[in-house]
Amino acid sequence: DAGVIQSPRHEVTEMGQEVTLRCKPISGHDYLFWYRQTMMRGLELLIYFNNNVPIDDSGMPEDRFSAKMPNASFSTLKIQPSEPRDSAVYFCASRGSSVYTFGSGTRLTVV
Amino acid sequence: KNQVEQSPQSLIILEGKNCTLQCNYTVSPFSNLRWYKQDTGRGPVSLTIMTFSENTKSNGRYTATLDADTKQSSLHITASQLSDSASYICVVSSPSGNTPLVFGKGTRLSVIA
Repeated sequence: DAGVIQSPRHEVTEMGQEVTLRCKPISGHDYLFWYRQTMMRGLELLIYFNNNVPIDDSGMPEDRFSAKMPNASFSTLKIQPSEPRDSAVYFCASRGSSVYTFGSGTRLTVV
Repeated sequence: KNQVEQSPQSLIILEGKNCTLQCNYTVSPFSNLRWYKQDTGRGPVSLTIMTFSENTKSNGRYTATLDADTKQSSLHITASQLSDSASYICVVSSPSGNTPLVFGKGTRLSVIA
């Protein structure tokens, strides 16, 4: 198993542009989580899905953020328009049988 | 409010020495407590997971303890190696509520030769 796969690993974009982060969870895991990590705030939960259905998106900072999970093997986190304060590392994690596995993250820099 | 506090924020030790990282939590009700290791540029990787009834759990040179009465946990690293340099994150799970995991901000450990 290749684990949780995220792409891209690094993204640099200009303020105002749309950014799409991608995640492929571990096959068979029924939960998928999107986290954001910064030095100041640590890991913060943005949204999570159970069986492709969004369960809690209260962590999504504002309407500029949206997430989708069209099927069990793919999820996206979109930021439109992006702002410099969105710069962070975004992690996707999937869970199966109480085991959480994190991807390697996407380091987003908005200039 | 459910919170996880870790100390120290950062720590520098010599290779071969032991160290102990602390975690205090206010998450209630409590389901389990996990310690993760996060190398620079990587995602967190699970080291240990303990439920309410477990007091200690080991994973090689890593030993985690849990006192559910005082809501404290520690992670002890024995005979540290350079590869132990990483952030160590304490994570508490609650069976209820909208947030499945509550994360501490981590302790940044640097092991130097």
